Amino acid sequence: KQEVTQIPAALSVPEGENLVLNCSFTDSAIYNLQWFRQDPGKGLTSLLLIQSSQREQTSGRLNASLDKSSGRSTLYIAASQPGDSATYLCAVSYGNNRLAFGKGNQVVVIP
Amino acid sequence: EPEVTQTPSHQVTQMGQEVILRCVPISNHLYFYWYRQILGQKVEFLVSFYNNEISEKSEIFDDQFSVERPDGSNFTLKIRSTKLEDSAMYFCASSGRGFGEAFFGQGTRLTVV
Repeated sequence: KQEVTQIPAALSVPEGENLVLNCSFTDSAIYNLQWFRQDPGKGLTSLLLIQSSQREQTSGRLNASLDKSSGRSTLYIAASQPGDSATYLCAVSYGNNRLAFGKGNQVVVIP
Repeated sequence: EPEVTQTPSHQVTQMGQEVILRCVPISNHLYFYWYRQILGQKVEFLVSFYNNEISEKSEIFDDQFSVERPDGSNFTLKIRSTKLEDSAMYFCASSGRGFGEAFFGQGTRLTVV
């Protein structure tokens, strides 16, 4: 069974600092990995998708890396802003097209 | 920008009642999913649907649950005889291809009393 773990569970950083969010998964037989943002009581917004054959993906201030063999992904958010405060979820696609989610990294960016 | 829409945003129902959660996936997408998130817990997979049939379902998706694509635009999740533990946020998602990027709706918060 695929298990996804995200560390740290919560973090607070001053505005302007870079954010580093970690995700690990137990079974390297994945098709892709997706990072989402979730605001309190809201839906999931897709941020980045990394195919299993890729090493990294970038979108604006966001950069995600994938080391499939070691079962790890890292999401970097450069120059954090208060608007980046949210929970960030990592999910891996495996099996017959299902996603397994981590519990999330809850981020607070302090102005 | 195309988006997945879900209705209602919040539904309260009595234990034992049937509920239908509705979703309109992105129009050219072919793969549809339901997930749920119990408060404070991980998002959990329920079911995937393609070509008018279930592709995969989790152990959570028992006989109490069913899905349907009644027309070309809607995708529904029916929960028969709701239980207190069915209280959760239910998310619909769609993707344009298998193992492609999944786009989620805003969710339906189901409260069973």
